[in-house]
Amino acid sequence: GENVEQHPSTLSVQEGDSAVIKCTYSDSASNYFPWYKQELGKRPQLIIDIRSNVGEKKDQRIAVTLNKTAKHFSLHITETQPEDSAVYFCAASLMFSGGYNKLIFGAGTRLAVHP
Amino acid sequence: EAQVTQNPRYLITVTGKKLTVTCSQNMNHEYMSWYRQDPGLGLRQIYYSMNVEVTDKGDVPEGYKVSRKEKRNFPLILESPSPNQTSLYFCASSSGGGTGGAFFGQGTRLTVV
Repeated sequence: GENVEQHPSTLSVQEGDSAVIKCTYSDSASNYFPWYKQELGKRPQLIIDIRSNVGEKKDQRIAVTLNKTAKHFSLHITETQPEDSAVYFCAASLMFSGGYNKLIFGAGTRLAVHP
Repeated sequence: EAQVTQNPRYLITVTGKKLTVTCSQNMNHEYMSWYRQDPGLGLRQIYYSMNVEVTDKGDVPEGYKVSRKEKRNFPLILESPSPNQTSLYFCASSSGGGTGGAFFGQGTRLTVV
């Protein structure tokens, strides 16, 4: 079945540096790739997403890139700040018969931004 | 305010005592699902529902039941909880058959002793 691998599992950076989290997926039919941020003790929240007809999307300090040929997508955070510290999850949407799309999540990356 | 509301937030129960975790959304979303979150395993789908009276198993459905009698509500039922169901549970809703921004509830931390 569909599998999403996420790396690294933990990432530590200095404030102001960039952070990159990478995910690979197995099903070439996947067509929607959201990223979620989960702060300690809180719910996952959608921060950015990309669809398969787009190669890159940016929102202020956050960007996501997609390489459909290689079946991987990445989250880029520039000028990191301590409030970026959280667990980040990638997901890939797998199409099932009947039009139902299921989100398959990666295992998460714990990002720590040190002042 | 658009939201997904789960209750209770915290629950400690004993093995075998039936419990229900409620989930309600006010966004008129057709698609709702339940996930459990365990360290190192990410979010795993328990059950999902594409619309009223339409539910199906996710990846880890054993020991759980759901119902979808109304569009806004999607309760998770544990008929006979066991310690391996100790976990953090999230309800989520979204439009468009499961794509698009999924909105998560606040989470329910369940401990079964």
